Amino acid sequence: QIVLTQSPAIMSASPGEKVTITCSASSSVSYMHWFQQKPGTSPKLWIYSTSNLASGVPARFSGSGSGTSYSLTISRMEAEDAATYYCQQRSSYPWTFGGGTKLEIK
Amino acid sequence: EVKLVESGGGLVQPGGSLRLSCATSGFTFTDYYMSWVRQPPGKALEWLGFIRNKANGYTTEYSASVKGRFTISRDNSQSILYLQMNTLRAEDSATYYCARDKGLFDYWGQGTTLTVSS
Repeated sequence: QIVLTQSPAIMSASPGEKVTITCSASSSVSYMHWFQQKPGTSPKLWIYSTSNLASGVPARFSGSGSGTSYSLTISRMEAEDAATYYCQQRSSYPWTFGGGTKLEIK
Repeated sequence: EVKLVESGGGLVQPGGSLRLSCATSGFTFTDYYMSWVRQPPGKALEWLGFIRNKANGYTTEYSASVKGRFTISRDNSQSILYLQMNTLRAEDSATYYCARDKGLFDYWGQGTTLTVSS
């Protein structure tokens, strides 16, 4: 199966700071999805097909990547962005998720 | 409004069985694949499997970790998705989510929690 490794596992950022979360795949994938999850709630689709923002996602978020390397970027961190972010691939079965990146606000 | 509501979680002894349900509304159920995803406490998400839509014959795919023990089915007349879980183990303890699947998980339920313990 394709293993997705996210880094960092935990990070904190100050308001206004640029944030980048990376997702490395053990084999090449066609695209990557990203989900945001806050404590006690279900995951939300955040970025789909590598770079498309889901409905309602602020424009300060962006996604990029190809092959085995993908990233989620927040141009300027805001308090509401504190959450855990998961990448997910659907290029081959079983579909897999990354281990998550917990993003905290300083 | 799209809604997915899971139910059926609880405490089960190792080796036991349980069936989870996911009641849906707000969309044409038969048009969509439906998936189950679980999340052990404090851990990452794990896709368990899906059932295809009407156009694709309602066939299923499973993750190796649950294949042969878990079965996904659907009642299209009532727009309900099911997850039958057999031979449960402690490591199956998790919150179980259903998700609407149109090539991506665009809507999720709130989850139902399973604890496997004696």
